[in-house]
Amino acid sequence: QVQLQQWGTGLLKPSETLSLTCAVYGGSFSGYFWSWIRQPPGKGLEWIGEINHFGSSHYNPSLKSRVSISVDTSKNQFSLKLSSVTAADTAVYYCARLCESVYGDYFDYWGQGTLVTVSS
Amino acid sequence: DVHMTQSPSSLSASVGDRVTITCRASQSISTYLNWFQQKPGKAPKLLFYGASNSQSGVPSRFSGNGSGTDFTLTISSLQPEDFATYYCQQSDSALMYTFGQGTKLEIK
Repeated sequence: QVQLQQWGTGLLKPSETLSLTCAVYGGSFSGYFWSWIRQPPGKGLEWIGEINHFGSSHYNPSLKSRVSISVDTSKNQFSLKLSSVTAADTAVYYCARLCESVYGDYFDYWGQGTLVTVSS
Repeated sequence: DVHMTQSPSSLSASVGDRVTITCRASQSISTYLNWFQQKPGKAPKLLFYGASNSQSGVPSRFSGNGSGTDFTLTISSLQPEDFATYYCQQSDSALMYTFGQGTKLEIK
């Protein structure tokens, strides 16, 4: 059974850098892309970006200038950094596994979510 | 970007009702459409991928259909545990996944 467990700083001041890590337990780490997705309070879901075990990453163009996703294959972990945060970055952040198939790509396993609040 | 629009945004229904949620893409996405269910304080749960392929463990009262720009998620007989928010998500644009705004299904 695949499990994703995430952690990171929950309260930030404007202009600081958000940092979250997601550990993957069970299943294969290689062969998948690993994503970050966020959800502002009471709102919908926004894909942030993804990375594979080779370190190949792709980002949402709207966040690309501030986002960095990295991978540590020795620990089956991947991490998110979002710089220069503002109140608009307040959200629950999820890590998720992206499964690529002939039917398209889909997020089949998710972390528990981490609420990140940006406030002065 | 492919823009996804769900309707309705909210829906009140009773246990036993048949309900249908619609998702429309701003351009054709073939069948690269996924559906998720989200309950308060929980991560989204995958229901369907590829428009109509159910994820393991999804009850048979749920069904997904559609292709091109128009898709539906149908619950044939609502159960108490089905009251949640539902999201569609496209994967046709593989480097820019986008979600619908969500449909909140509430108890009447």
